[in-house]
Amino acid sequence: EEELVESGGGVVQPGGSLRLSCAGAGFTFDDYPIHWVRQAPGKGLEWLCYISGDGGGTYYADSVKGRFTISRDNSRNSVSLQMNGLKTEDTAFYFCAREGGGFDKWGQGSLVTVSS
Amino acid sequence: DIQMTQTPSSLSASVGDRVTITCRASESISTYLNWYQHKPGKVPNVLIFRATTLQSGVSPRFSGSGSGTLFTLTINSLQPEDAATYYCQQSYTARTFGQGTKVEI
Repeated sequence: EEELVESGGGVVQPGGSLRLSCAGAGFTFDDYPIHWVRQAPGKGLEWLCYISGDGGGTYYADSVKGRFTISRDNSRNSVSLQMNGLKTEDTAFYFCAREGGGFDKWGQGSLVTVSS
Repeated sequence: DIQMTQTPSSLSASVGDRVTITCRASESISTYLNWYQHKPGKVPNVLIFRATTLQSGVSPRFSGSGSGTLFTLTINSLQPEDAATYYCQQSYTARTFGQGTKVEI
């Protein structure tokens, strides 16, 4: 079965850091770009960043550029999101998603809470 | 950055109705437009990609149209299980979601 499994969410203080991971299984991982998307409480979906299948290309939304870094290790079928300088407004569920025809496979979501 | 504007932001309809949601891009995105259904507590589910292509396994009651800057998602014969929030997303450059349309039955 094709799946993405996330890990690494939790509670962090403002200004702190957190690293999310997204592990793929059941498909040829490096065939697909991977994206991160978040949903803050009561809000809509917000696209955050993208990494190409070979890891050579990345792109970020302005809201996280310079604070978040996406990377991937295809030998481990894994993508990571390093989040630095976290703000209270970064509190959200974070999803990784595979892009095939649209975002056709999603991780289950990881809750990140930024609070003092 | 490309902005995506959905209308309406919410709607209420009855079982059996036809519902149309509109998505407008701030600049031309050709047909690089996807539609998602998102139910509370679940992950989003892609319904339509490249403006008109139905994702495998999705009910044919869903259809998409449009190109350039104006797109529509149509739900025919609305069913109770269609209650959800629907998002458009452009994939022309970077990615951007619309603000969502909540559909109540």
